[in-house]
Amino acid sequence: SSELTQDPAVSVAFGQTVRITCQGDSLRTYYTTWYLQKPGQAPVLVIYGVNNRPSGIPDRFSASRSGNTASLTITGAQAEDEADYYCCSRDSSGDHLLFGGGTKLTVL
Amino acid sequence: QVQLVESGGGLVKPGESLRLSCAASGFTFSDYYMHWIRQAPGKGLEWVSYITSSGSYTYYADSVKGRFTISRDNSGNSVFLQMNSLRVEDTGLYYCARLRRDGYHDLDYWGRGTPVNVSS
Repeated sequence: SSELTQDPAVSVAFGQTVRITCQGDSLRTYYTTWYLQKPGQAPVLVIYGVNNRPSGIPDRFSASRSGNTASLTITGAQAEDEADYYCCSRDSSGDHLLFGGGTKLTVL
Repeated sequence: QVQLVESGGGLVKPGESLRLSCAASGFTFSDYYMHWIRQAPGKGLEWVSYITSSGSYTYYADSVKGRFTISRDNSGNSVFLQMNSLRVEDTGLYYCARLRRDGYHDLDYWGRGTPVNVSS
């Protein structure tokens, strides 16, 4: 299928670890990119490639994949991590990008 | 520093046209693929289109294919999105974004977006 599925909302206690997941058939073929978006702001690249962070992204963000499920893990969540998180990959043709529906992360 | 600034959005009626522009600075524009992504109010991100660095190849989401055209001017450091036959469902904030060098779907810089409102 050409869809990426994310849980609409996830919450985590301050300082705890949270995993945000993304499911889709194309994830078996293509790696997953992760973006975060805070209200009123443009998306920001968080993870790319197998598990790479752009400069400026804290090392508490990491990624993994198992089968058709990709995960973004935040180890020791901070208040500033509260945002919408989107996974991104390619469709089966490889020509089109796909975004997941997004996960709203709340830090309690 | 890398900057992407979108412009050209506005309020139009269904069936009308708009041309969006994205002015790039702070990097060698002609080396990079460029994308357009949109976000309907209160909704998630939707990929729209991308163009290769030379402009030789273009790709479109099924929802806009045949109505939208992406182009670029490497001498002017700009990418464009010509949007024809606009529909209410095209309403949203339109972002341009740069594909990271050697990346596949890694959009490492985004503009702030330009709003498009299609309403009768």
